[in-house]
Amino acid sequence: DQQVKQNSPSLSVQEGRISILNCDYTNSMFDYFLWYKKYPAEGPTFLISISSIKDKNEDGRFTVFLNKSAKHLSLHIVPSQPGDSAVYFCAASALGNQFYFGTGTSLTVIP
Amino acid sequence: DAGVTQSPTHLIKTRGQQVTLRCSPKSGHDTVSWYQQALGQGPQFIFQYYEEEERQRGNFPDRFSGHQFPNYSSELNVNALLLGDSALYLCASSLLWGQGSTDTQYFGPGTRLTVL
Repeated sequence: DQQVKQNSPSLSVQEGRISILNCDYTNSMFDYFLWYKKYPAEGPTFLISISSIKDKNEDGRFTVFLNKSAKHLSLHIVPSQPGDSAVYFCAASALGNQFYFGTGTSLTVIP
Repeated sequence: DAGVTQSPTHLIKTRGQQVTLRCSPKSGHDTVSWYQQALGQGPQFIFQYYEEEERQRGNFPDRFSGHQFPNYSSELNVNALLLGDSALYLCASSLLWGQGSTDTQYFGPGTRLTVL
C-alpha cells in the first residue's frame, strides 16, 4: 500500500530554469512532510520540511508547497544548477509515527 | 562532528545465513531508525529504537530484529536470509519523533547487502 507517491520517475531541466518535483499522498492524517536528496553511493540528505499548519516553506533556492485539500506537495528549485542532479524523495509522517517515502524522482539538470 | 556512520559498506551472504549491520548515530541524537531500500524503491521503515527499546515497527517479519546500546549505537540483525532481502539498508538518527523536535532524520551512507 503506497501511501506516498511520486508519479514521475525522472525529470530533465535546463540549468537556470525552475525544477518542479511532485508528490501525492493518501493518508489525511499525515502532518509532517520532508524532501530528501540522494546522490549515488550516499544516504539521503535532508533538504527541506513542512508542517501541515503551513502551506509554504522556503529555504534559499528550495521552496516546498503543501496543498492539503489535494493531498499534494511539490518542491520547487529555482534556479536549477547541475549540482542539483540527484534522486529526490518525499516523505510523510503522522503524529510522530513512522515516515513513508515515495519511490523517488531522478532530476537531471542540463548545463 | 561525525555524521551517521554504518558498517560494513558491502556484504555478501547466502540464503539461510544471518547478518548483523551496525550504525552509530550523529552526535546528540538518541534515536535510531532502520530502513530497507530495494532497487528503484524508496526507503521502507523497518523499526526505530529509543532508550534501548524498539519503539515503532514497520511491516517486516520478526526475522528482522535490532538492538540499541547505551551509547545510542544500534545493530540490525536479519536471520534466515532470503534472496528478497538483498537491498540497501539505511540507518537514520534523530531525536525521538513527535516530542517537540523537528523530526528530521539524518541518514548514513547505507550497507549494501547481497543475498545469493
